[in-house]
Amino acid sequence: DIQMTQSPSFVSASVGDRLTITCRASQDISTWLAWYQQKPGKAPKLLIYAASSLQSGVPSRFSGSGSGTHFTLTISSLQPEDFATYYCQQASSFLLTFGGGTRVDIK
Amino acid sequence: QVQLQESGPGLVKPSETLSLTCTVSGGSISNSIYYWGWIRQSPGKGLEWIGSIYFSGNTIYSPSLKSRVTISVDTSKNQFSLSLSSVTAADTAVYYCARPRNSTAWPAPNWFDAWGQGVLVTVSS
Repeated sequence: DIQMTQSPSFVSASVGDRLTITCRASQDISTWLAWYQQKPGKAPKLLIYAASSLQSGVPSRFSGSGSGTHFTLTISSLQPEDFATYYCQQASSFLLTFGGGTRVDIK
Repeated sequence: QVQLQESGPGLVKPSETLSLTCTVSGGSISNSIYYWGWIRQSPGKGLEWIGSIYFSGNTIYSPSLKSRVTISVDTSKNQFSLSLSSVTAADTAVYYCARPRNSTAWPAPNWFDAWGQGVLVTVSS
Protein backbone atom coordinates (compact mmCIF):
# COMPACT_ATOMS: atom_id res chain seq x y z
CA ASP A 1 0.00 0.00 0.00
CA ILE A 2 1.00 3.60 -0.50
CA GLN A 3 1.06 5.34 2.85
CA MET A 4 -0.03 8.97 3.10
CA THR A 5 1.23 11.08 6.00
CA GLN A 6 -0.25 14.48 6.78
CA SER A 7 1.17 17.18 8.98
CA PRO A 8 0.30 18.74 11.22
CA SER A 9 -2.51 16.60 12.60
CA PHE A 10 -3.95 19.62 14.37
CA VAL A 11 -3.55 23.36 13.91
CA SER A 12 -5.09 26.32 15.62
CA ALA A 13 -5.39 29.40 13.43
CA SER A 14 -7.18 32.72 13.13
CA VAL A 15 -9.47 34.16 10.50
CA GLY A 16 -7.32 35.77 7.83
CA ASP A 17 -4.31 33.54 8.44
CA ARG A 18 -2.48 31.80 5.63
CA LEU A 19 -2.40 28.08 6.31
CA THR A 20 -0.41 25.30 4.70
CA ILE A 21 -0.99 21.59 5.24
CA THR A 22 1.51 18.99 4.06
CA CYS A 23 0.93 15.49 2.73
CA ARG A 24 3.72 13.04 1.98
CA ALA A 25 3.41 9.80 0.04
CA SER A 26 5.50 6.74 0.79
CA GLN A 27 6.35 6.44 -2.90
CA ASP A 28 6.17 8.52 -6.05
CA ILE A 29 2.53 9.18 -6.98
CA SER A 30 3.21 11.86 -9.61
CA THR A 31 0.23 14.24 -9.26
CA TRP A 32 -2.33 11.58 -8.40
CA LEU A 33 -3.47 13.40 -5.30
CA ALA A 34 -6.72 14.89 -4.06
CA TRP A 35 -7.63 17.06 -1.08
CA TYR A 36 -10.93 16.97 0.77
CA GLN A 37 -12.59 19.13 3.41
CA GLN A 38 -14.87 17.51 5.96
CA LYS A 39 -17.10 19.19 8.50
CA PRO A 40 -18.66 17.36 11.47
CA GLY A 41 -21.50 15.08 10.48
CA LYS A 42 -20.98 15.68 6.78
CA ALA A 43 -19.47 13.74 3.90
CA PRO A 44 -16.09 14.88 2.62
CA LYS A 45 -16.05 17.54 -0.07
CA LEU A 46 -13.55 17.42 -2.92
CA LEU A 47 -11.44 20.58 -3.03
CA ILE A 48 -8.44 19.80 -5.20
CA TYR A 49 -7.69 16.98 -7.64
CA ALA A 50 -4.63 16.11 -9.69
CA ALA A 51 -2.59 17.84 -6.96
CA SER A 52 -3.36 21.37 -8.12
CA SER A 53 -6.67 21.52 -10.01
CA LEU A 54 -9.44 23.37 -8.21
CA GLN A 55 -12.76 21.57 -8.12
CA SER A 56 -15.66 23.54 -9.56
CA GLY A 57 -17.30 25.80 -7.01
CA VAL A 58 -14.37 25.78 -4.57
CA PRO A 59 -13.12 29.26 -3.59
CA SER A 60 -9.86 30.36 -5.13
CA ARG A 61 -8.28 30.88 -1.70
CA PHE A 62 -7.69 27.11 -1.76
CA SER A 63 -4.72 25.91 -3.76
CA GLY A 64 -2.71 22.74 -4.06
CA SER A 65 0.80 22.03 -5.21
CA GLY A 66 3.40 19.32 -5.36
CA SER A 67 4.29 16.17 -7.21
CA GLY A 68 6.08 12.93 -6.52
CA THR A 69 5.97 12.44 -2.76
CA HIS A 70 5.47 15.93 -1.33
CA PHE A 71 2.25 17.91 -1.57
CA THR A 72 0.71 20.96 0.06
CA LEU A 73 -2.74 22.44 0.47
CA THR A 74 -2.75 26.17 1.11
CA ILE A 75 -5.59 28.36 2.25
CA SER A 76 -4.52 31.91 1.50
CA SER A 77 -6.81 33.65 3.99
CA LEU A 78 -8.78 31.50 6.39
CA GLN A 79 -12.47 32.18 6.53
CA PRO A 80 -14.84 31.10 9.32
CA GLU A 81 -16.31 28.37 7.12
CA ASP A 82 -12.86 26.84 6.53
CA PHE A 83 -12.53 25.48 10.06
CA ALA A 84 -12.82 21.77 9.36
CA THR A 85 -10.73 18.65 8.89
CA TYR A 86 -8.73 18.20 5.70
CA TYR A 87 -7.63 14.92 4.13
CA CYS A 88 -5.34 14.05 1.29
CA GLN A 89 -5.91 10.93 -0.81
CA GLN A 90 -3.74 9.23 -3.38
CA ALA A 91 -5.21 7.78 -6.56
CA SER A 92 -1.97 6.60 -8.13
CA SER A 93 -2.85 3.04 -7.33
CA PHE A 94 -6.25 1.41 -7.56
CA LEU A 95 -5.65 0.67 -3.87
CA LEU A 96 -6.67 4.06 -2.57
CA THR A 97 -5.36 5.52 0.66
CA PHE A 98 -6.09 8.62 2.68
CA GLY A 99 -3.92 10.68 4.94
CA GLY A 100 -4.73 10.77 8.62
CA GLY A 101 -6.30 14.21 8.45
CA THR A 102 -5.52 17.73 9.66
CA ARG A 103 -8.00 19.38 11.96
CA VAL A 104 -8.10 23.17 11.67
CA ASP A 105 -9.54 24.90 14.71
CA ILE A 106 -10.19 28.51 15.53
CA LYS A 107 -7.55 30.12 17.73
CA GLN B 1 -26.73 15.99 -10.67
CA VAL B 2 -26.00 12.48 -9.45
CA GLN B 3 -27.09 11.58 -5.94
CA LEU B 4 -26.09 8.60 -3.85
CA GLN B 5 -27.98 7.21 -0.86
CA GLU B 6 -26.79 4.51 1.51
CA SER B 7 -29.29 2.21 3.19
CA GLY B 8 -29.13 -0.71 5.55
CA PRO B 9 -29.30 -1.74 9.20
CA GLY B 10 -27.81 0.64 11.70
CA LEU B 11 -27.04 -2.12 14.19
CA VAL B 12 -25.24 -5.39 13.51
CA LYS B 13 -24.25 -8.06 16.01
CA PRO B 14 -20.63 -9.15 16.40
CA SER B 15 -19.61 -12.00 14.08
CA GLU B 16 -22.51 -11.29 11.74
CA THR B 17 -22.44 -9.73 8.27
CA LEU B 18 -22.91 -6.03 7.64
CA SER B 19 -24.88 -5.34 4.46
CA LEU B 20 -25.41 -1.94 2.88
CA THR B 21 -26.80 -0.73 -0.44
CA CYS B 22 -26.04 2.45 -2.33
CA THR B 23 -28.79 3.69 -4.62
CA VAL B 24 -27.71 6.01 -7.42
CA SER B 25 -30.07 8.57 -8.88
CA GLY B 26 -29.57 11.24 -11.51
CA GLY B 27 -27.10 9.10 -13.41
CA SER B 28 -26.52 5.55 -14.57
CA ILE B 29 -24.34 3.19 -12.62
CA SER B 30 -23.55 1.63 -15.99
CA ASN B 31 -21.62 4.74 -16.99
CA SER B 32 -18.50 3.06 -18.22
CA ILE B 33 -15.89 5.41 -16.81
CA TYR B 34 -16.51 5.01 -13.07
CA TYR B 35 -15.40 2.71 -10.34
CA TRP B 36 -17.99 3.24 -7.62
CA GLY B 37 -16.54 3.26 -4.14
CA TRP B 38 -17.22 2.47 -0.49
CA ILE B 39 -15.38 4.44 2.20
CA ARG B 40 -15.82 4.31 5.96
CA GLN B 41 -14.95 6.46 8.94
CA SER B 42 -14.77 5.14 12.47
CA PRO B 43 -16.00 7.55 15.16
CA GLY B 44 -13.51 10.34 15.60
CA LYS B 45 -11.10 8.77 13.10
CA GLY B 46 -10.01 9.28 9.52
CA LEU B 47 -11.27 8.00 6.19
CA GLU B 48 -10.65 4.43 5.09
CA TRP B 49 -11.27 3.20 1.57
CA ILE B 50 -12.97 -0.22 1.58
CA GLY B 51 -13.21 -1.04 -2.10
CA SER B 52 -14.60 -0.13 -5.50
CA ILE B 53 -16.63 -1.76 -8.25
CA TYR B 54 -17.05 -1.26 -11.98
CA PHE B 55 -20.48 -1.73 -13.55
CA SER B 56 -19.29 -4.97 -15.14
CA GLY B 57 -18.69 -6.37 -11.68
CA ASN B 58 -14.90 -5.96 -11.58
CA THR B 59 -13.90 -5.23 -8.00
CA ILE B 60 -10.91 -3.88 -6.11
CA TYR B 61 -10.64 -4.28 -2.35
CA SER B 62 -8.51 -2.83 0.39
CA PRO B 63 -5.91 -5.46 1.31
CA SER B 64 -6.68 -4.99 5.00
CA LEU B 65 -10.36 -5.90 4.48
CA LYS B 66 -10.19 -8.11 1.41
CA SER B 67 -10.82 -11.37 3.24
CA ARG B 68 -14.13 -10.09 4.63
CA VAL B 69 -15.48 -7.76 1.92
CA THR B 70 -17.73 -8.35 -1.05
CA ILE B 71 -18.96 -5.53 -3.25
CA SER B 72 -21.58 -6.24 -5.89
CA VAL B 73 -23.58 -4.28 -8.44
CA ASP B 74 -27.16 -4.46 -9.69
CA THR B 75 -27.39 -2.36 -12.82
CA SER B 76 -31.12 -3.02 -13.19
CA LYS B 77 -31.72 -1.25 -9.89
CA ASN B 78 -28.91 1.28 -10.32
CA GLN B 79 -27.43 0.09 -7.03
CA PHE B 80 -24.22 -1.31 -5.66
CA SER B 81 -23.82 -3.09 -2.37
CA LEU B 82 -21.32 -3.80 0.38
CA SER B 83 -21.07 -6.91 2.53
CA LEU B 84 -18.60 -7.13 5.38
CA SER B 85 -18.49 -10.44 7.21
CA SER B 86 -17.44 -11.40 10.72
CA VAL B 87 -17.80 -7.88 12.03
CA THR B 88 -16.40 -6.69 15.34
CA ALA B 89 -16.70 -3.45 17.27
CA ALA B 90 -13.79 -2.14 15.20
CA ASP B 91 -16.12 -2.11 12.19
CA THR B 92 -18.39 0.45 13.84
CA ALA B 93 -18.26 3.41 11.49
CA VAL B 94 -20.08 5.75 9.17
CA TYR B 95 -20.12 4.06 5.78
CA TYR B 96 -20.17 6.22 2.65
CA CYS B 97 -20.68 5.33 -0.98
CA ALA B 98 -19.10 7.63 -3.52
CA ARG B 99 -18.52 8.26 -7.22
CA PRO B 100 -15.37 9.66 -8.81
CA ARG B 101 -15.26 13.01 -10.49
CA ASN B 102 -16.22 12.99 -14.17
CA SER B 103 -13.28 12.71 -16.51
CA THR B 104 -12.33 12.21 -20.12
CA ALA B 105 -9.96 9.50 -18.94
CA TRP B 106 -10.89 5.85 -18.60
CA PRO B 107 -11.37 4.87 -15.94
CA ALA B 108 -12.06 8.15 -14.22
CA PRO B 109 -9.37 8.86 -11.61
CA ASN B 110 -10.57 7.82 -8.20
CA TRP B 111 -11.03 11.17 -6.52
CA PHE B 112 -14.60 11.34 -5.33
CA ASP B 113 -16.80 14.36 -5.91
CA ALA B 114 -20.17 12.74 -5.24
CA TRP B 115 -20.86 11.17 -1.86
CA GLY B 116 -23.82 9.75 -0.07
CA GLN B 117 -24.75 11.29 3.26
CA GLY B 118 -23.32 8.29 5.08
CA VAL B 119 -24.92 5.73 7.35
CA LEU B 120 -23.75 4.92 10.85
CA VAL B 121 -23.42 1.20 11.48
CA THR B 122 -22.84 0.12 15.06
CA VAL B 123 -21.56 -3.34 15.85
CA SER B 124 -22.90 -4.39 19.22
CA SER B 125 -24.73 -7.25 20.84
